[in-house]
Amino acid sequence: SQTIHQWPATLVQPVGSPLSLECTVEGTSNPNLYWYRQAAGRGLQLLFYSVGIGQISSEVPQNLSASRPQDRQFILSSKKLLLSDSGFYLCAWNPARTGELFFGEGSRLTVL
Amino acid sequence: DAKTTQPTSMDCAEGRAANLPCNHSTISGNEYVYWYRQIHSQGPQYIIHGLKNNETNEMASLIITEDRKSSTLILPHATLRDTAVYYCISILWNYKLTFGKGTLLTVNP
Repeated sequence: SQTIHQWPATLVQPVGSPLSLECTVEGTSNPNLYWYRQAAGRGLQLLFYSVGIGQISSEVPQNLSASRPQDRQFILSSKKLLLSDSGFYLCAWNPARTGELFFGEGSRLTVL
Repeated sequence: DAKTTQPTSMDCAEGRAANLPCNHSTISGNEYVYWYRQIHSQGPQYIIHGLKNNETNEMASLIITEDRKSSTLILPHATLRDTAVYYCISILWNYKLTFGKGTLLTVNP
């Protein structure tokens, strides 16, 4: 069966510090991978979307970046965090040819 | 992707059916309708999807109008644990999913 792992679950970072959130999927190959963010009291915002290794689509211009170094690994990064980067970050995947998304448990980021 | 519109919030009594409407009047012929829900502080959960025909699974039923311009998600016997934000999305298969604001369903005892 397929599983998705996302870490860390929570982190508190100072403004200007770097960020790395990691997501891996097991039990499938060539998944579509997503990073979403949900700010407090807000809806889900699609940040990045990937259909394959090294193929990243950025949906919202910002100081975040994403990479997909391996087929089932998706990394969200920032060189310098802003206060506005605080939020709940969710990694998700779906098999090709379906719209059924499977989400990780999320990473709650607080930037102080 | 076609734009969808949903009521901001709805209430339902526990044990009764919850009927959540969604308008997708600009949907194209090959776009699917997907429903997700998000319980507080968790990632969204897939519920059901359909193209033209009505669909039913262990969680819910999806009724799509004949002209496909609207649909209704039905939770047949709502429980307190069904309190969540429900999202209706219309997408082409295999295309990136973007979520709107959804409907906050509150199930009351």
